[in-house]
Amino acid sequence: AAGVIQSPRHLIKEKRETATLKCYPIPRHDTVYWYQQGPGQDPQFLISFYEKMQSDKGSIPDRFSAQQFSDYHSELNMSSLELGDSALYFCASSLRGDPYEQYFGPGTRLTVT
Amino acid sequence: LAKTTQPISMDSYEGQEVNITCSHNNIATNDYITWYQQFPSQGPRFIIQGYKTKVTNEVASLFIPADRKSSTLSLPRVSLSDTAVYYCLVVPERGFQKLVFGTGTRLLVSP
Repeated sequence: AAGVIQSPRHLIKEKRETATLKCYPIPRHDTVYWYQQGPGQDPQFLISFYEKMQSDKGSIPDRFSAQQFSDYHSELNMSSLELGDSALYFCASSLRGDPYEQYFGPGTRLTVT
Repeated sequence: LAKTTQPISMDSYEGQEVNITCSHNNIATNDYITWYQQFPSQGPRFIIQGYKTKVTNEVASLFIPADRKSSTLSLPRVSLSDTAVYYCLVVPERGFQKLVFGTGTRLLVSP
């Protein structure tokens, strides 16, 4: 079965650079969530979209922005990167905002040096 | 959202049954209890979800008492590959809900 696809899987950036993470949800899934997981920490919700509209927002820095496109894929844009942004970034998708079962992608490991 | 509390770590041996209990004293009427599993450097994976009494699927069972202030995830006959972090989450019934992960339980299964 098709799963959530995230690209790139690994990304190394320097401080103050920008990064773009991409997420391709499971086919027919219309809701996308972004989570950040720092080293040794639990996943933290960043932002979510349903039908291309932002549906919820968590502790996402103002330096970050995201959007969902007409084909339902989503991109997380991160600017002025800081060392503390180094983390695993997971994208999850669900169908029509199913609150219980979100399907997570493999994650993008971002390292800021 | 109701706060959840679960043991930080548990140890077991292959073939044993493992029960992980989670407390959620402030659970609301419309909240469901959901459990996720996460392996190192992988995204969390949905295990099971329930509202009350007992729910069973091919992977686990979930026991929820009548007062719903706690729940117990039961993993039958664990294997080494069940070594992971297990998260108990309380999720409101209405859609488009972010998952709020607390501190999960690190389960270590030994030979």
